[in-house]
Amino acid sequence: EVQLVESGGGLIQPGGSLRLSCAASGFTFSSYAMSWVRQAPGKGLEWVSVIFGGDSTYYADSVKGRFTISRDNSKNTLYLQMNSLRAEDTAVYYCARESIRGYRDFDYWGQGTLVTVSS
Amino acid sequence: ETVLTQSPDTLSLSPGERVTLSCRASQSVSSSYLAWYQQKPGQAPNLLIYGASSRATGIPDRFSGSGSGTDFTLTISRLEPEDFAVYYCQQYGDSQLTFGGGTKVEIK
Repeated sequence: EVQLVESGGGLIQPGGSLRLSCAASGFTFSSYAMSWVRQAPGKGLEWVSVIFGGDSTYYADSVKGRFTISRDNSKNTLYLQMNSLRAEDTAVYYCARESIRGYRDFDYWGQGTLVTVSS
Repeated sequence: ETVLTQSPDTLSLSPGERVTLSCRASQSVSSSYLAWYQQKPGQAPNLLIYGASSRATGIPDRFSGSGSGTDFTLTISRLEPEDFAVYYCQQYGDSQLTFGGGTKVEIK
């Protein structure tokens, strides 16, 4: 059974840093592209970043230069290092697996971890 | 960046009714790269449709997707009580993935 479990969220002051983790199980983690998608309270979904099996990465313009996505295939874990956090980064952060078919859709999602940026 | 506009924002319907949700793109989207998700309160999104018209594993056949270019549609042929939720479309293009703003389907 595929499982994605996020952790690392919490309350952080503006300008601070936080690292999110996503522990994956039930599939060959290294073979899949993985993304972070966030959802501000009461709002829609926003794609944040993707990392491919070969470690190439892409970011939404809203986080480029502040967030860094990485993965440790030996630990089956996805990370999101978030620096220079702003109030508008407050959201539930989901990790999501892209399907192997290459259609850039997300076939599995974690339950999310809440990040609150506030003083 | 390709912007996806979903309409309407909210639909108030009764069980058994047919639902048509719209997703319009600001520029042409490859049909391979258009997906639909359902999200219920307090839950993560769930993939319904990929490649504009292919149902994901375990999705009932009352859900169908269609469209091409800039206009895509999700249809629920007959609403079941468990279908009341928010629906999002999502596309990929130019190394960016974007979601529409969502359509809430609520009980009338």
